Amino acid sequence: GESVGLHLPTLSVQEGDNSIINCAYSNSASDYFIWYKQESGKGPQFIIDIRSNMDKRQGQRVTVLLNKTVKHLSLQIAATQPGDSAVYFCAENPPFGNEKLTFGTGTRLTIIP
Amino acid sequence: GAVVSQHPSWVICKSGTSVKIECRSLDFQATTMFWYRQFPKQSLMLMATSNEGSKATYEQGVEKDKFLINHASLTLSTLTVTSAHPEDSSFYICSAPTGYMTEAFFGQGTRLTVV
Repeated sequence: GESVGLHLPTLSVQEGDNSIINCAYSNSASDYFIWYKQESGKGPQFIIDIRSNMDKRQGQRVTVLLNKTVKHLSLQIAATQPGDSAVYFCAENPPFGNEKLTFGTGTRLTIIP
Repeated sequence: GAVVSQHPSWVICKSGTSVKIECRSLDFQATTMFWYRQFPKQSLMLMATSNEGSKATYEQGVEKDKFLINHASLTLSTLTVTSAHPEDSSFYICSAPTGYMTEAFFGQGTRLTVV
């Protein structure tokens, strides 16, 4: 079946460095993607989204890159801070007006002081 | 951004009892809400789609008679775990989309422990 998955389950980054979290998706018809951050014991929190007609979108300290050719999504976090430690999920919105999201397995990001 | 409130944030119940979890959209109307279940160190698994004014749509493998969903208004969906057992212990999360190709907002989650 089609799925959204992540390459790395864990990632440790030195505070102040940049981090890159990757996500692979297999549904080539997906037209919308979202990155969520989930802290322990809390619900997911929206970080940034991107539509399939774009290949890059920037937010505050975060950038999402979309490579439709290889069906790859990445989240770049610049100048990481301790508060960035969390699990990050990519989510895929299937096409044809369906609002249901499919979540990847998640990557745990740990910021080392 | 939009706010989704989930209540309670945690609950402990005895085996065989039922537990109701509420999900409210505080500043927008949600004709659709989603209920997820999350086990430790795992991703979110969609359980069902709650539809205002109609029956919920359950994902494959989810028992509709065990996980009762009611979406009686445009701002409230409830999930009732009936005859709870220890294996139902999990983190339950609701979300409400704000439209097609727009972000979905999530509740804070409910930690259910069945003893």
